[in-house]
Order: sequence, then structure tokens, then C-alpha cells
Amino acid sequence: SQQGEEDPQALSIQEGENATMNCSYKTSINNLQWYRQNSGRGLVHLILIRSNEREKHSGRLRVTLDTSKKSSSLLITASRAADTASYFCATETQTGANNLFFGTGTRLTVIP
Amino acid sequence: NAGVMQNPRHLVRRRGQEARLRCSPMKGHSHVYWYRQLPEEGLKFMVYLQKENIIDESGMPKERFSAEFPKEGPSILRIQQVVRGDSAAYFCASSPVVGAVLGKTEAFFGQGTRLTVV
Repeated sequence: SQQGEEDPQALSIQEGENATMNCSYKTSINNLQWYRQNSGRGLVHLILIRSNEREKHSGRLRVTLDTSKKSSSLLITASRAADTASYFCATETQTGANNLFFGTGTRLTVIP
Repeated sequence: NAGVMQNPRHLVRRRGQEARLRCSPMKGHSHVYWYRQLPEEGLKFMVYLQKENIIDESGMPKERFSAEFPKEGPSILRIQQVVRGDSAAYFCASSPVVGAVLGKTEAFFGQGTRLTVV
């Protein structure tokens, strides 16, 4: 299965701390994307990193991609209570099928 | 530019009834994807459609489920003779381009339809 796997499944931190979530996948990808899902809501796209990129920043988010290890990490710095959500990585394969394969998500809780 | 619109937001059906879920992609988007999310799980791909064509339905159950994306109007995910196990959140996403060609595909998701089968 191409589906990504996030690690850890759940993470609880204090407000102000950094949160790191990891994602591993199995086959070659075109790009990898991170999404956030608040409880009972739809998904919000956070950041996309292409297979030829190693690191990308967006505000308090930092994403790394290691294609040799088939893994990515999402770092949220200076976390806030509003960051509490589930975070999913999604991979787009190189087959041209234009499809996203999602992992099972990391549930982040930021304690005020 | 309105986002991806799904309706209804919540749908309750009795076992054996039909469920119709609608998805209007963002303006200018001709690619639509349907995903199912079971409680406490990630999203599972069901079907990928372009206008009037099903491109990939490998994630869709062979029976009772069908999808269409007509030339005019929203994409429809149809579930016939629903069973309790169909209870889930169904998300639709749209994108404007073929990712593998241009190397960039950001999918825009709707708010989802929460189907409850009683």
C-alpha cells in the first residue's frame, strides 16, 4: 500500500513548545503534502513539498523531506492551543494518477 | 471564489435507503476526488473523476457505490441500499491540474458530508 504512516499517533504538548510529527511512505512520490483537520471539519492544506526539495517553511511550519528514507517531518514551532487538530500527510505518486494517499494522522493536543 | 462545496453536511439514512452526496468543485477545477473517513481513521481514496469520465475507481466498493461527474452540475457519490458500515464522513476534493505533469497538485477539500446509517 502506498498509504503513508504518521508517527506518533497522538502527541500532547504544552503551549509554546515545538511539535514534531513524522510521516513514512512506501513508493516513489511526486510530492508530499501536509493537511490539518480540526475535529469534525474538513481538511485544510498546509504545505506541499516536491520530491526534489528537502526543506520548506511556511510561517511556524517547517517540513523536511528525505526521499532516500521515504520520510517527512512536520515541525510546528511555538505551538498554540489553536494548533490542536489532527495532522495528515498525503503523498502523490509518480504514476500520473493524480491521486493523494493519506496516512492515518497524528492527533496533536496543545495544552494552554 | 467559493471553495469546494459539499451538501448535505449531515445525512441520516435508514438501512436499505439510498444516499446521494453532492460535491461542487472550485471554479475552474475539472478534477474531483472522493475520500471516505471512518471514525478515528485517515482518509481512504475512493474514486477520481474528470468531467464525464471516471479515471480511477480502485478505492470504491464494487457493489452499491457509484460516482459521476457530469458535464454540467456537481459530482455525485451514490450509495445504494446503505448499511451501518457505510456510516462515515465523505470528503470531496478538487484540483485544477494533473499533478504529475506540472509537479504541483494542491487539493482543495470540502467540509465533508457525515453519513449516519441507522
